[in-house]
Amino acid sequence: AQSVAQPEDQVNVAEGNPLTVKCTYSVSGNPYLFWYVQYPNRGLQFLLKYITGDNLVKGSYGFEAEFNKSQTSFHLKKPSALVSDSALYFCAVRDSNAGNNRKLIWGLGTSLAVNP
Amino acid sequence: NAGVTQTPKFQVLKTGQSMTLQCAQDMNHEYMSWYRQDPGMGLRLIHYSVGAGITDQGEVPNGYNVSRSTTEDFPLRLLSAAPSQTSVYFCASRDSDRGKYGYTFGSGTRLTVV
Repeated sequence: AQSVAQPEDQVNVAEGNPLTVKCTYSVSGNPYLFWYVQYPNRGLQFLLKYITGDNLVKGSYGFEAEFNKSQTSFHLKKPSALVSDSALYFCAVRDSNAGNNRKLIWGLGTSLAVNP
Repeated sequence: NAGVTQTPKFQVLKTGQSMTLQCAQDMNHEYMSWYRQDPGMGLRLIHYSVGAGITDQGEVPNGYNVSRSTTEDFPLRLLSAAPSQTSVYFCASRDSDRGKYGYTFGSGTRLTVV
């Protein structure tokens, strides 16, 4: 069965420090992986995706994510955090071999707090 | 501006009332879906549609109906509102190509059932 885990409910970092938000997944085939961000009282915004190719994916707002097949992980990273990065982050996965099943499986979200 | 438009942004219903949450997108996306977001439960798929005239159930479909008569519109109907349907509802759409593209989300509808 497909699943996504975001093992940390909350991540706290100081402004200017690097940040990592963790995501691990389980699919039977090759994964399509996504990160979304949700600011307070807003809808989710697409950040980046991994479909195939280079394991390091660059996305919006200076974020990047590294696909690690052996560890089945897709951690979100940013070299230098900003207070404005404080938000709720969601990881999602879809099995590329799922045929007509086009549903994404969502993690429960990680709340990122960047302290000034 | 291109995107997904949801109305209303806020709604309070009494138990037993019915209502329709509207969702429209102007990007010619084939795939549209409705999610509800509840604290500690993440996003849960209610219904989805892979094109006009085609809808299917997600993981929490009970108490909700949908239809897709046009590519642009995907309304969600609450038949008889219950307090358990108090939630924030998001509509999302994406282009086809078997799920390779990211979703565009609406800004949400915050529904309270009293």
